[in-house]
Amino acid sequence: DAKTTQPTSMDCAEGRAANLPCNHSTISGNEYVYWYRQIHSQGPQYIIHGLKNNETNEMASLIITEDRKSSTLILPHATLRDTAVYYCIVRVLDSGDMRFGAGTRLTVKP
Amino acid sequence: GAVVSQHPSWVICKSGTSVKIECRSLDFQATTMFWYRQFPKQSLMLMATSNEGSKATYEQGVEKDKFLINHASLTLSTLTVTSAHPEDSSFYICSARGYTFGSGTRLTVV
Repeated sequence: DAKTTQPTSMDCAEGRAANLPCNHSTISGNEYVYWYRQIHSQGPQYIIHGLKNNETNEMASLIITEDRKSSTLILPHATLRDTAVYYCIVRVLDSGDMRFGAGTRLTVKP
Repeated sequence: GAVVSQHPSWVICKSGTSVKIECRSLDFQATTMFWYRQFPKQSLMLMATSNEGSKATYEQGVEKDKFLINHASLTLSTLTVTSAHPEDSSFYICSARGYTFGSGTRLTVV
């Protein structure tokens, strides 16, 4: 069973913030929220992860709700190169195997 | 940062032949590596977990005799697709540490 739910696709205007939601209502207390993206015909790229606090790095920000049942990945100023499939995954910290859902196909438009 | 080198990037082979895909951890030791398969317009599906010095663990429905995995050293895991058929044509991706992915290998069986 899928542990996360994401919209199938989203569009975003270049230069605007892209907000990608993810529902993970059955997340366990020791599970983190991870985000990856996959640009066409490449391996997935790690973006960010968090447990319960909001996180920010050079790529994105991760906002996790207080009940931890959902999160939002924010790309503050989307560029055309951010067009990709974005995957939200919940798992125990640093556990190796990951189960990918369908992800959200983000298209950044000029 | 941790880098995983995967090669070849693409390969075309004839039906009935075998193809080997290599995955190397360049600046760290990986006791465990993960192999995924991705069909067009689908998500990544975990095929097997490769453990250094021991037998790989295969996901349900993955034929271990067809997809041979060898993890003979802490920096190298290989996936051999034996007696390949056109339905094995896919994008194969390895991963280590749970967040570092190879660039993928596109296999086309003709």
